[in-house]
Amino acid sequence: GAGVSQTPSNKVTEKGKYVELRCDPISGHTALYWYRQSLGQGPEFLIYFQGTGAADDSGLPNDRFFAVRPEGSVSTLKIQRTERGDSAVYLCASSLTGSIQSPLHFGNGTRLTVT
Amino acid sequence: GEDVEQSLFLSVREGDSSVINCTYTDSSSTYLYWYKQEPGAGLQLLTYIFSNMDMKQDQRLTVLLNKKDKHLSLRIADTQTGDSAIYFCAEKDGSSNTGKLIFGQGTTLQVKP
Repeated sequence: GAGVSQTPSNKVTEKGKYVELRCDPISGHTALYWYRQSLGQGPEFLIYFQGTGAADDSGLPNDRFFAVRPEGSVSTLKIQRTERGDSAVYLCASSLTGSIQSPLHFGNGTRLTVT
Repeated sequence: GEDVEQSLFLSVREGDSSVINCTYTDSSSTYLYWYKQEPGAGLQLLTYIFSNMDMKQDQRLTVLLNKKDKHLSLRIADTQTGDSAIYFCAEKDGSSNTGKLIFGQGTTLQVKP
């Protein structure tokens, strides 16, 4: 079946601009996660959705970052007033239930470059 | 807070066994994972182990868990050039009852023909 789909695969934007990154999880998966991976590092947690609600947003670095999942399926990560330090690969993952026993399945990520 | 540490690089010859090591700090971790990342791609779940197990085997992959020393290893038998990738160890965040993961920095495996 289809895996986690992320679009666009690459995004180049100028400093100060607004960007939106989209994630389409595996059908039927109630839990959705956003991670950020900087060059040479492991992924770092940003936010977790259970259904439509953000159950844990403790990883969002500041208030320029926001994410939504209005219908409990597709999610959008929004970054305002982008900075060069926001350049990274943004990974989305989904899991069937979000419980501790449910493994995460990752998409291929969106590579964001802020010039 | 929780931390996961891995060595950064491992080079082996094709056909040899590879052993990638990981240490973690959260003693309440219930599940530990190995993910593989090929260039330009996302993370592929390879295998995972529950903390009440000390070994799990899946075809060429063997996971060993030493809970006392908080040490996890991934052994790849008969390593192939297609195994060249970055391997990430991850633990469940023990402070959360969700699937939130904490990742290591990743070990780059280079397989020489």
